[in-house]
Amino acid sequence: DADVTQTPRNRITKTGKRIMLECSQTKGHDRMYWYRQDPGLGLRLIYYSFDVKDINKGEISDGYSVSRQAQAKFSLSLESAIPNQTALYFCATSDRGVGNQPQHFGDGTRLSIL
Amino acid sequence: DQQVKQNSPSLSVQEGRISILNCDYTNSMFDYFLWYKKYPAEGPTFLISISSIKDKNEDGRFTVFLNKSAKHLSLHIVPSQPGDSAVYFCAATFNTNAGKSTFGDGTTLTVKP
Repeated sequence: DADVTQTPRNRITKTGKRIMLECSQTKGHDRMYWYRQDPGLGLRLIYYSFDVKDINKGEISDGYSVSRQAQAKFSLSLESAIPNQTALYFCATSDRGVGNQPQHFGDGTRLSIL
Repeated sequence: DQQVKQNSPSLSVQEGRISILNCDYTNSMFDYFLWYKKYPAEGPTFLISISSIKDKNEDGRFTVFLNKSAKHLSLHIVPSQPGDSAVYFCAATFNTNAGKSTFGDGTTLTVKP
């Protein structure tokens, strides 16, 4: 079983709909992240959480919200989806420690907003 | 302002030869640099990292070189194998807010048999 599981893997929806992407992990890591990737571009950070009571905005948080329901669960919501939020979304986790702690990624959610 | 740049979107090499992937950064305060590999339909996976106080780190066929004065790092793969064909991302982090990485746009490596 995957250590970092994202659901759904694919989603097509319409403009204005509320969407929730879910992420769960079995790695026991405190830190969790949501990124989006657009074609030909790198990963851009949307939100991150260093523990259950800690939520922080990343570089592109507008139009998104998150919930850290438990150490193992971190969900991303689009309250009113718009077409330019069409992208590949990745959840990641990392352990505590200094900057060389690698991130462990899920396999992504491909979201299309019509 | 993009702090981490990978200026080559793609690279093609012959099996058995060396692959060199490059990455430039602008913030001299970064503490660590990491390389990730990504196959289609999968998430990125960690490959190798280097501390800003080092100039080289080696792990099997993979070596990362850091030139702080030039704000440049490179990933060398020797010998290259067809299974190395993937997108490679360079990322940079600070010790504070550790784990919160800034990524480059990636380089697609194709290793031809």
